[in-house]
Amino acid sequence: EGQLVESGGGLVQPGRSLRLTCVASGFTFSSYEMNWVRQAPGKGLEWVSYISATGTNIYYADSVQGRVTISRDNGKNSLFLQIHSLRAEDTAVYYCATSGYYYYMDVWGKGTTVTVSS
Amino acid sequence: DIQMTQSPSSVSASVGDRVTITCQASQGIGNWLAWYQQKPGKAPKLLIYGASSLQGGVPSRFSGSGSGTDFSLTISSLQPEDFATYYCLQAKRTPLNFGGGTKVEIK
Repeated sequence: EGQLVESGGGLVQPGRSLRLTCVASGFTFSSYEMNWVRQAPGKGLEWVSYISATGTNIYYADSVQGRVTISRDNGKNSLFLQIHSLRAEDTAVYYCATSGYYYYMDVWGKGTTVTVSS
Repeated sequence: DIQMTQSPSSVSASVGDRVTITCQASQGIGNWLAWYQQKPGKAPKLLIYGASSLQGGVPSRFSGSGSGTDFSLTISSLQPEDFATYYCLQAKRTPLNFGGGTKVEIK
């Protein structure tokens, strides 16, 4: 069964940058579209970004457009999310998730926590 | 963008109760809707996709219906492990949007 493990979260000062990583195992990563979804403390789920299997198609939520870059390395079974100019409102648990069937997110990692604070 | 309005925001119910949660899209999305269950401190779990198709391994007491703009998730007989927060997701087009969530609590 497929597994996703996120890393790279932590306490970061406002204005700094952070790169999150999601490593996949147990399935053919290069065949799957991928997403990042975040959840602020005590809040609901917010989709952040999508990348197609080959990396050709990329989409972002309006809330992060221009500050976030999604990318992948299929040779290393890895997905990345670079976040620039971090703000307090970026504080959240960040999940990576596969889209095994159209945009439906079916396999999720356990998440990595990003806290933006001085 | 397609906005999703989910209701109620919370519901108190007892084991064995039938519970229905609704989600309304701001524009028609066909049957491009999914339902997720999330327990505290855990990642969301896909329950239903395509508005009514049960994800593998999900108990049959969960069912989904609707198309266009109005959708519902029904738990036919609430079990102790079903107390959680439920989210709908429109999967018609990006930006993907979740509903605000419904917390199912023990009465």
